[in-house]
Amino acid sequence: GNSVTQMEGPVTLSEEAFLTINCTYTATGYPSLFWYVQYPGEGLQLLLKATKADDKGSNKGFEATYRKETTSFHLEKGSVQVSDSAVYFCALKGNNAGNMLTFGGGTRLMVKP
Amino acid sequence: GAGVSQTPSNKVTEKGKYVELRCDPISGHTALYWYRQSLGQGPEFLIYFQGTGAADDSGLPNDRFFAVRPEGSVSTLKIQRTERGDSAVYLCASSLGGLGRAQYFGPGTRLTVL
Repeated sequence: GNSVTQMEGPVTLSEEAFLTINCTYTATGYPSLFWYVQYPGEGLQLLLKATKADDKGSNKGFEATYRKETTSFHLEKGSVQVSDSAVYFCALKGNNAGNMLTFGGGTRLMVKP
Repeated sequence: GAGVSQTPSNKVTEKGKYVELRCDPISGHTALYWYRQSLGQGPEFLIYFQGTGAADDSGLPNDRFFAVRPEGSVSTLKIQRTERGDSAVYLCASSLGGLGRAQYFGPGTRLTVL
C-alpha cells in the first residue's frame, strides 16, 4: 500500500535559517504529492502540491520538487520566519479510484527569533 | 468563498453513547472525505464520497462507524457505542472531482470519550 515517511521533529531553527523537511514515499504508479501545514489552533491548510515527476510546487517561499527517482518530495525554505512555526505534513494521493490522501506523521517546526 | 465547516467543534461524550459529527463542504465540491487524527499523528483516511455514494469506506475501523451524504452535499459521520479509543480530531475535506485535485480541510471536531 501507499505510505509516507517524513523526518521526525521537532525541528528548531533560528529566524532566517534555511529549512529542509525530508519526505519520502512508497506508492504504485504516479501519485500526486502535497504539503499541508497546521498552524497552532488552526486546521490543515494546503501549502503546495506537485502532480507529476520533476514538477516543483511553491508557495509563501516554500518549495518542493517531485523526485520520482528518489521517491522524495522534500520541503525547503530559504529563510524561515517565526510565523512559519507550525506542524508540516507530507501527503500523497494515489493514482487510483480511491483518491484518499495518505499522510506522513507530521514534523513540528519551531522558529526562534 | 466559505470553506469547509464542521460542527460541533468539540464534543464530549460518555463511553457507550452515540454521536453525530457534521460536515458542510465547499459549494460545488463533489468529493467529500472523512479523516481521523490522533494526537501527534497525521490524519488517517476513513471514508470517501463521490456525490451521494460512499465510493470507498475501507478506512472505517469497524461497524460502529457509519457516514452518509444523502443529497450530495452535507455529510454526517455517525459513531455508535463510542469507546475511549475513538477520542481524536475528526477532519472533513472536500475537493473537485478528478485526479490530482487538492483537498480542502475543515477545522475538525475534537471528540473526547470519557
